[in-house]
This record gives sequence, C-alpha cells and structure tokens, in this order.
Amino acid sequence: AQTVTQSQPEMSVQEAETVTLSCTYDTSESNYYLFWYKQPPSRQMILVIRQEAYKQQNATENRFSVNFQKAAKSFSLKISDSQLGDTAMYFCAFWANSKLTFGKGITLSVRP
Amino acid sequence: KAGVTQTPRYLIKTRGQQVTLSCSPISGHRSVSWYQQTPGQGLQFLFEYFSETQRNKGNFPGRFSGRQFSNSRSEMNVSTLELGDSALYLCASSFGTSTHTQYFGPGTRLTVL
Repeated sequence: AQTVTQSQPEMSVQEAETVTLSCTYDTSESNYYLFWYKQPPSRQMILVIRQEAYKQQNATENRFSVNFQKAAKSFSLKISDSQLGDTAMYFCAFWANSKLTFGKGITLSVRP
Repeated sequence: KAGVTQTPRYLIKTRGQQVTLSCSPISGHRSVSWYQQTPGQGLQFLFEYFSETQRNKGNFPGRFSGRQFSNSRSEMNVSTLELGDSALYLCASSFGTSTHTQYFGPGTRLTVL
C-alpha cells in the first residue's frame, strides 16, 4: 500500500513571494505518477501539476514547478510570484493501479 | 469541453435512509472514480468504474455501491445512512482505466442528520 505524507498543516506567504509545499510518499510500485491538486473554498478539486515517475525532468506549469527526488520519495511544489487566488488547500497525490492516494493536505494562505 | 458534473450538489438525509449520487464524466472519458472527503479521514478512494465494470474498490463497507451506464455516467448509492457518512463525495473522470490524470467534479455535499 502506498502512503502520502504532507507534514505541514498550513503555511502562509506574502503576495508575490515564493513558497514551497512539501510532500513525501512511500510505495513499492515502479510505475506511478504524482500530482498536486488545489482545492479552493469552492471545494472544486483542480489539477495543478503532474509528474511522471519515469521522467527525471521536473514538471513545470507557469508559476508552478516541482522538485521530484525519486530516491528520497519526495515531491515538493514550488509556487512562484504567489497570488491571492492561490489561497487554497493543496493536496499531494500518488497514482498507481488506477487509483489516487491523497495526503492530508496543506492550507496555504496568501497575504496581500 | 464541459467538465465533470455531479448532481445533486447538496443533500440532507436522515439516518437509515439511502441516497443516490450521480456523476457525468467529461465527454469521451470512460473511467469514473469516486472519493469521499471528510475532515477526519481526508480524501479516500471508494471505487472506480470502467466500461460498466467495477475495476477497483477502496476499503468501504458494502453499504457503498455504484454502477456505470453505457454512456459512462455513474451513480453511487449509500444505503442505511449513518451520521459518519456525512461528507463531500467527489467524482473524477479519466480517459481510460490506466489513464493517470483524473479530473474532478464539484462534489456532492451529503449531510446525514
């Protein structure tokens, strides 16, 4: 069974600054994918970024990038130039065998 | 392309009743997964359907069941509701059962009194 750990329950960042959200996972699977999802107060789960485990290159989507350390089983999300609209709960998720396993999430607040 | 839709958005039921939630996937997507989100347990996988067949199941009691229709729409049923079933139920669709990227609907908020 796989586990996903997000040890920080909440973080706060000043608008326009950079913040990094941490995630570690544990698995014996060799074929898997990693995701960060964002859940704003509307509760709609929004895909932020994904990383294929077989790719060494870190994924990037505009202001969002990941630091994927496969050997350490670490998958952190960096948000650059934070915006007020980034305020949300962020979930790290692991996909294998057709199902997603989520971490507990971290609440990110962006201060004006 | 329209996103994943879920109906109803809100439901209030009493203990012992049963409830059916509906999910329509993104057009062309054939896999539908269901998740339960609660403050205490977080997000937990319920089950996945592909081509009208349940392909994967989480660790939930038999009171939780589902089905998928030929048009890929899916329904989830919870019988003999308990207070602990109060949760946000999220549906996600993906192109195929081995397709890793899932897109979520807005959820159905179920309150059991």
